[in-house]
Amino acid sequence: DSGVTQTPKHLITATGQRVTLRCSPRSGDLSVYWYQQSLDQGLQFLIQYYNGEERAKGNILERFSAQQFPDLHSELNLSSLELGDSALYFCASSLNLRTDTQYFGPGTRLTVL
Amino acid sequence: AQKVTQAQTEISVVEKEDVTLDCVYETRDTTYYLFWYKQPPSGELVFLIRRNSFDEQNEISGRYSWNFQKSTSSFNFTITASQVVDSAVYFCALIPNRDDKIIFGKGTRLHILP
Repeated sequence: DSGVTQTPKHLITATGQRVTLRCSPRSGDLSVYWYQQSLDQGLQFLIQYYNGEERAKGNILERFSAQQFPDLHSELNLSSLELGDSALYFCASSLNLRTDTQYFGPGTRLTVL
Repeated sequence: AQKVTQAQTEISVVEKEDVTLDCVYETRDTTYYLFWYKQPPSGELVFLIRRNSFDEQNEISGRYSWNFQKSTSSFNFTITASQVVDSAVYFCALIPNRDDKIIFGKGTRLHILP
């Protein structure tokens, strides 16, 4: 058990809908990272938050947004969903990616029908 | 441009054989960090190792070893005396020092046959 929790584990929804994925980092970790893994695109970094502030942004679509709350949990919002958004979404946490281990949650599998 | 290439899409070896997974990276930054991650069939991602660009010492952890060579921009991963539990997809990744925008390779799927 990595200590990073993600809910829900599975999500099935329709095109055009909006969903929210939730992540709770390991106790003490200030950074939260979101990743998308799909067959087409492979593993991609989406966005990083550090202690409530956006720190780095990767290949995140404008239809996607995220935030990190004062209790350090994070939410990834995906809107106007398309078939191509079907993927496994991972959250990870660390204190400092350059010096500390990064721990991953089990992922949320999103299926857009 | 930052890029990570894992040319081996899939590798199969018989248990107890040694196997090396290749990783070649591109970056214009002088300071950067390299990583390896493991994704077993269960799907979770596991961090294996991090190496910064100033530390070219090879690292060994049990049956795992990593060879970092700046001259060839490579960060290869060797599993000695492979075991069936090593079957997984392995990802090599890179971040520049300026931010945490991690760039992953496409991954190498490793099958260890009993």
